Amino acid sequence: VQLVESGGGLVQPGRSLRLSCAASGFTFDDYAMHWVRQAPGKGLEWVSGISWNSGKIDYADSVKGRFTISRDYAKNSLYLQMNSLRAEDTALYYCAKAKFPIGTQYYFDYWGRGTLVTVSS
Amino acid sequence: DIQLTQSPSFLSASVGDRVTITCRASQGIRSYLAWYQQKPGKAPKLLIYAASTLQSGVPSRFSGSGSGTDFTLTISSLQPEDFATYYCQQLNSYPPVTFGPGTKVDIK
Repeated sequence: VQLVESGGGLVQPGRSLRLSCAASGFTFDDYAMHWVRQAPGKGLEWVSGISWNSGKIDYADSVKGRFTISRDYAKNSLYLQMNSLRAEDTALYYCAKAKFPIGTQYYFDYWGRGTLVTVSS
Repeated sequence: DIQLTQSPSFLSASVGDRVTITCRASQGIRSYLAWYQQKPGKAPKLLIYAASTLQSGVPSRFSGSGSGTDFTLTISSLQPEDFATYYCQQLNSYPPVTFGPGTKVDIK
């Protein structure tokens, strides 16, 4: 299993950024995928999750209405479109795979290395 | 949302010590709890899920227990590679998934 995030960088407040996560080594279609972030020196914060069939999508209150999660089954890829970025969105963003297929028990058994998003003027 | 607290926030221990970390939920979460280990500059690693089930490949010195609101992670004999930060995670009331604030285990 490999998860490789990309798309991070330095962005001004109010601007947008799109993160990607390329997945391999497992049947991507069968597993929910999530984004979890970690601000510098801080703990883990769940951001968003998308079910195996894209039928259920959820967001943390802190990003609801600004971020959009999606997945491309043909490309085995997960995305996070981040709009109206704020300084408090500055963090390392991890892509994480749900341990169990199909269901809703969201333990995360594989994580990428993360992509750093810095929101600053 | 369900809040998780961990104690202690920091502990200093020696190789060979038995270490116990506690995670408490603000309301009952049955057994929907996981423990992760994170080393500096690395992604979190799943150690325990469903409160007490050892993830494949994780050494047996790690164990988890508890249900409802009170949970523990125990390292029976601390090894040099175990110095890290440990997080609990609940998923009983999804969304959201929530994580505890972390417990840093340092070398005495």
